[in-house]
Amino acid sequence: KAGVTQTPRYLIKTRGQQVTLSCSPISGHRSVSWYQQTPGQGLQFLFEYFSETQRNKGNFPGRFSGRQFSNSRSEMNVSTLELGDSALYLCASSLVASGGANTFFGPGTRLTVL
Amino acid sequence: DQQVKQNSPSLSVQEGRISILNCDYTNSMFDYFLWYKKYPAEGPTFLISISSIKDKNEDGRFTVFLNKSAKHLSLHIVPSQPGDSAVYFCAASGAGGTSYGKLTFGQGTILTVHP
Repeated sequence: KAGVTQTPRYLIKTRGQQVTLSCSPISGHRSVSWYQQTPGQGLQFLFEYFSETQRNKGNFPGRFSGRQFSNSRSEMNVSTLELGDSALYLCASSLVASGGANTFFGPGTRLTVL
Repeated sequence: DQQVKQNSPSLSVQEGRISILNCDYTNSMFDYFLWYKKYPAEGPTFLISISSIKDKNEDGRFTVFLNKSAKHLSLHIVPSQPGDSAVYFCAASGAGGTSYGKLTFGQGTILTVHP
């Protein structure tokens, strides 16, 4: 069974640009969550999607958005990039809901904003 | 507002000894707690969890203890092995609409197990 795939793995952008990150969940999984990891902050929840619907959203500005497609693949978009957006962005895939032994994380996309 | 805190950024232990990683939380609505392990260049992997109706859960060398009155949980690894060297995150989830599908993570503790 293939794991969670995130593309690209590494990305360098400049301030003011926008970026789109992609996540392909494990086959059959319908829930996709996104997290931002920065040094000293741990992983912070961005949003969660299930069957193309956003069910929950974290405390991030509106520049951060996401969507999920009918095949459960998900994208997140960050517009007007700021230096502080440099982070590892992780997505997690679950059958139904995030958390527990049945949640699997992808390797992440390392975003660097210059 | 850090609702889940891991106050020790790092821990160094000798192989064969016990590793104890600690985690505190402030939100009394949390009812499910998890530990994840993360190696560099990989996503976190689930290690062990505990429901708030229990105070202890064991899985091989890993045991998680939950003290609800103190809002504290700990992960014990016995015996520690060099392959356990990684970053350990505790996480919590709770019932209710605002928590649905969301895990709240601590900042992580870097565990180093020396041979």
